[in-house]
Amino acid sequence: DAGVTQSPTHLIKTRGQHVTLRCSPISGHKSVSWYQQVLGQGPQFIFQYYEKEERGRGNFPDRFSARQFPNYSSELNVNALLLGDSALYLCASSLVGLGNTIYFGEGSWLTVV
Amino acid sequence: GENVEQHPSTLSVQEGDSAVIKCTYSDSASNYFPWYKQELGKRPQLIIDIRSNVGEKKDQRIAVTLNKTAKHFSLHITETQPEDSAVYFCAASRKKADSWGKLQFGAGTQVVVTP
Repeated sequence: DAGVTQSPTHLIKTRGQHVTLRCSPISGHKSVSWYQQVLGQGPQFIFQYYEKEERGRGNFPDRFSARQFPNYSSELNVNALLLGDSALYLCASSLVGLGNTIYFGEGSWLTVV
Repeated sequence: GENVEQHPSTLSVQEGDSAVIKCTYSDSASNYFPWYKQELGKRPQLIIDIRSNVGEKKDQRIAVTLNKTAKHFSLHITETQPEDSAVYFCAASRKKADSWGKLQFGAGTQVVVTP
């Protein structure tokens, strides 16, 4: 079975631009979460979606938005990119409910120059 | 909100010795505690987890203990091997409808196992 897949794997953007990152969860997983991992730090929660609705939001500005599609895939959008947005963006999927293993994708490395 | 502190930040051990990583959490409503291993340039991978109704769990060379009263949990790796070298993250999650998918991570522990 395929794991959580993300695209693109690497990208370079200029300050002020917009970026869209995509994620396909493990088959059967209806919950998708997004995390930002800055080099040398632990992942920070950005969003959780399931059943196509936002179910949780971390402490990130409104420049960050996301959505989930009927097939449970998801995309993360970041507007007006700042240098500080440079990070590894991880998508995670799980079955719905506490205690279900949360599986991470390989991530999208974003560099803002 | 939840705050998870992790110690030490780096840990060097000789092959065959044991490694212990400790985490504390602040939110008494947290009741799911996974541990992830992340190798350089790779994704975090779950190695073991524990729920608040269990005090200890073991899987081969890896064990996790939980003390709910003191709000701390620990990862124990015995008979360490060079392939155990990686960054290890503890995390916590709350049992609430709007929080179960939100993992609060510690800052990570860089484990180096020397032959």
